Amino acid sequence: DVKVTQSSRYLVKRTGEKVFLECVQDMDHENMFWYRQDPGLGLRLIYFSYDVKMKEKGDIPEGYSVSREKKERFSLILESASTNQTSMYLCASSIQGTDSPLHFGNGTRLTVT
Amino acid sequence: AQRVTQPEKLLSVFKGAPVELKCNYSYSGSPELFWYVQYSRQRLQLLLRHISRESIKGFTADLNKGETSFHLKKPFAQEEDSAMYYCALMTGGFKTIFGAGTRLFVKA
Repeated sequence: DVKVTQSSRYLVKRTGEKVFLECVQDMDHENMFWYRQDPGLGLRLIYFSYDVKMKEKGDIPEGYSVSREKKERFSLILESASTNQTSMYLCASSIQGTDSPLHFGNGTRLTVT
Repeated sequence: AQRVTQPEKLLSVFKGAPVELKCNYSYSGSPELFWYVQYSRQRLQLLLRHISRESIKGFTADLNKGETSFHLKKPFAQEEDSAMYYCALMTGGFKTIFGAGTRLFVKA
């Protein structure tokens, strides 16, 4: 069974801090994704990666960056956290190819004060 | 524009009643559609995908290209079906767009 692990379940950070959210998957999936989940808005794609060192902007990349140095690890970076980035962050992975469903982590609830 | 619309934020039904969660999409290509479910305190997980044409936990969903819909249906709702349901559209091979979600509440 695919396991996607997000390093923190809850995080509280201060405005202006640099924040790292880590995600690791153990099934050799090529694709990895970062979404944020907000009530009434569903899931919105921040960034995704289809290979090591490759990254693509999603629908809401502003204020975020990512890093994928190894196939199994995909990090989301908030360069200078702001209160409007308080949200649930979900990492997901999938194999290459069409019709490949996403496998999600448990999520990281980030609060920026 | 690529978009997924779930018009109902909350759907409340009695146990044993039929349930239909609506999903409409906007996409110029050939759509690949999914339903994901999130039970309380669990991770988001795949429920079913249109290409499989299967029934999972009694749920089915039929792709209607004419109406650009992919509604999720179950003839007899159970209390354990209470969850958040998301309709999703995959575009270009890996980018997946989600609707806003519908919270289903099945009353005893």
